[in-house]
Amino acid sequence: DAGITQSPRHKVTETGTPVTLRCHQTENHRYMYWYRQDPGHGLRLIHYSYGVKDTDKGEVSDGYSVSRSKTEDFLLTLESATSSQTSVYFCAISESQAVGSYEQYFGPGTRLTVT
Amino acid sequence: TQLLEQSPQFLSIQEGENLTVYCNSSSVFSSLQWYRQEPGEGPVLLVTVVTGGEVKKLKRLTFQFGDARKDSSLHITAAQPGDTGLYLCAGERPGGFKTIFGAGTRLFVKA
Repeated sequence: DAGITQSPRHKVTETGTPVTLRCHQTENHRYMYWYRQDPGHGLRLIHYSYGVKDTDKGEVSDGYSVSRSKTEDFLLTLESATSSQTSVYFCAISESQAVGSYEQYFGPGTRLTVT
Repeated sequence: TQLLEQSPQFLSIQEGENLTVYCNSSSVFSSLQWYRQEPGEGPVLLVTVVTGGEVKKLKRLTFQFGDARKDSSLHITAAQPGDTGLYLCAGERPGGFKTIFGAGTRLFVKA
């Protein structure tokens, strides 16, 4: 199994509070991703990183920010949590493979509830 | 927005039956991956298909990539309760390193 950990694994927070989720990898992979998973929507990309301090927005980035100061760590921050951000959040990593292949390896997920 | 549509959304079958899950899009993908996810865990990669028309087998699972690289199918022969889970297809867009996911097919195999 790829060495990916997420912390915390579960969190309950109140509307309006800031929240930071952490993803840590031991694989030295270049690319890191944050997804959210909601029933009926599958996995939707929030932000991704293609190197240290190199990040870009995904399809559902509003209300989220990210930082990557080291290869192994990718942080996701909800500046002011809202109930619509209640979800399961997954971190994933990938490294350049053969042409046409960007297989991703996922962490165990963080279940976030915003009350 | 490029979409990947999976069908059926939910499938409940008896042990020993065969089944096919479909993943369709109007867009071309450089590659397509299939993942399986169990409750409380992250998705786990099953296979990647790259070439149009490619067929890959993983024990009782057969994966096919459409000739035009817009669709894929997953066929399971003689399903077992251990096959229960959420099956996700994911397409890599041309240009690389961003992938879009289908909403998944939830499979339940009854003993």
